[in-house]
Amino acid sequence: SQTIHQWPATLVQPVGSPLSLECTVEGTSNPNLYWYRQAAGRGLQLLFYSVGIGQISSEVPQNLSASRPQDRQFILSSKKLLLSDSGFYLCAWNLNIRTEAFFGQGTRLTVV
Amino acid sequence: AQSVTQLGSHVSVSEGALVLLRCNYSSSVPPYLFWYVQYPNQGLQLLLKYTSAATLVKGINGFEAEFKKSETSFHLTKPSAHMSDAAEYFCAVSDDSGGSNYKLTFGKGTLLTVNP
Repeated sequence: SQTIHQWPATLVQPVGSPLSLECTVEGTSNPNLYWYRQAAGRGLQLLFYSVGIGQISSEVPQNLSASRPQDRQFILSSKKLLLSDSGFYLCAWNLNIRTEAFFGQGTRLTVV
Repeated sequence: AQSVTQLGSHVSVSEGALVLLRCNYSSSVPPYLFWYVQYPNQGLQLLLKYTSAATLVKGINGFEAEFKKSETSFHLTKPSAHMSDAAEYFCAVSDDSGGSNYKLTFGKGTLLTVNP
């Protein structure tokens, strides 16, 4: 069966520090991968999506970047965090746009 | 471009009452529509999906939704609310508009409160 792992579950980082959130998928091949950020009252904002290794589409210009070094690994990064980067980050995957997306448990990031 | 509008950021019902959560979409081609539920500090779980088969879709936990093309709507209903239904609900859309469009776009969510 397929599983998705996202870590860490919570993270408190000072302003200006780097960030690396990792997401891995097991039990499937060539998934579409997504990073979303969730802020209260704003729903899920799509940050990045990837349809293959090294292929990253950015939806919102910002302080963050994403990489897909392996087929089932998706990494969200920042060189210098801002206060506004605080939020709940969710990784997700699906096989195609007609099928269900499966979500990780999320990372609660607080930038202080 | 695709988009989703969920009317009502907060809906409150009594236990046993009808639940109605509204979702309207915009898509230039036939859409694929989804409803997800999120419990506090967790990821999202699929409730149901519409992918161009039957317009009335039944999901888990007694929820169902009806795709109405003329109204560009995909409202979520449940005949009788249970306390365990209290959560945030998200409507989402994707479509085959071609190119590299693999986006799954979500609405802003509706927080459902169930009163005893």
